[in-house]
Amino acid sequence: EVQLVESGGGLVQPGGSLRLSCAASGFTFSNYWMHWVRQAPGKGLVWVSRVNRDGSITHYADSVKGRFTISRDNAKNTLYLRMNSLGAEDTALYYCARETGIAVGKYDYWGLGTLVTVSS
Amino acid sequence: SYELTQAPSLSVSPGQTASITCSGNKLEDKYVCWYHQKPGQSPVLLIYENNKRPSGIPERFSGSNSGNTATLTIRGTQAMDEADYYCKAWDGNTVVFGGGTTLTVL
Repeated sequence: EVQLVESGGGLVQPGGSLRLSCAASGFTFSNYWMHWVRQAPGKGLVWVSRVNRDGSITHYADSVKGRFTISRDNAKNTLYLRMNSLGAEDTALYYCARETGIAVGKYDYWGLGTLVTVSS
Repeated sequence: SYELTQAPSLSVSPGQTASITCSGNKLEDKYVCWYHQKPGQSPVLLIYENNKRPSGIPERFSGSNSGNTATLTIRGTQAMDEADYYCKAWDGNTVVFGGGTTLTVL
């Protein structure tokens, strides 16, 4: 059974940093592009970042470029998101999602999310 | 940056057809996916590559994409279809989601 389990969220002060993790199981992690998508409380889905199968190619939304870093450890079947210089606008539930097929952003599995709250 | 526009809300009576639209510049040149999300749950893929259904998604869900508008059609809408619906496209650099449409069945 495919599972994606996010962790690492929590309360952080403005300007602080956090590293999110997404533990993958039930499939060959290294065969898939992986993404982070976030959702502020009561708001819609917003794409954050994507990484290719071996971690050599990354893309970011303009809103996080230069502050967030996506990475992966295929030996540990884990996806990461390092978040720096956090602001209130980064408060959201962060999902990791597996991309499949030829269309970018076709997500067949999502985790349950980990909540990041940026507040003093 | 590329934008996808959805109406914030749509109401439909049970058994009727719901059409949820998503607009973007030359959207027909892109593959569109549709997701729905029920309260407290993660999103679920409904339609990919404009009009294909993943296994397990009922046939009453269908999609189309022409010109600047993609449409998700739900035939015989049921109470269980109440959810937020999001379209998604790739603009060559970033994944873009529409703002979402809340479907109410009443």
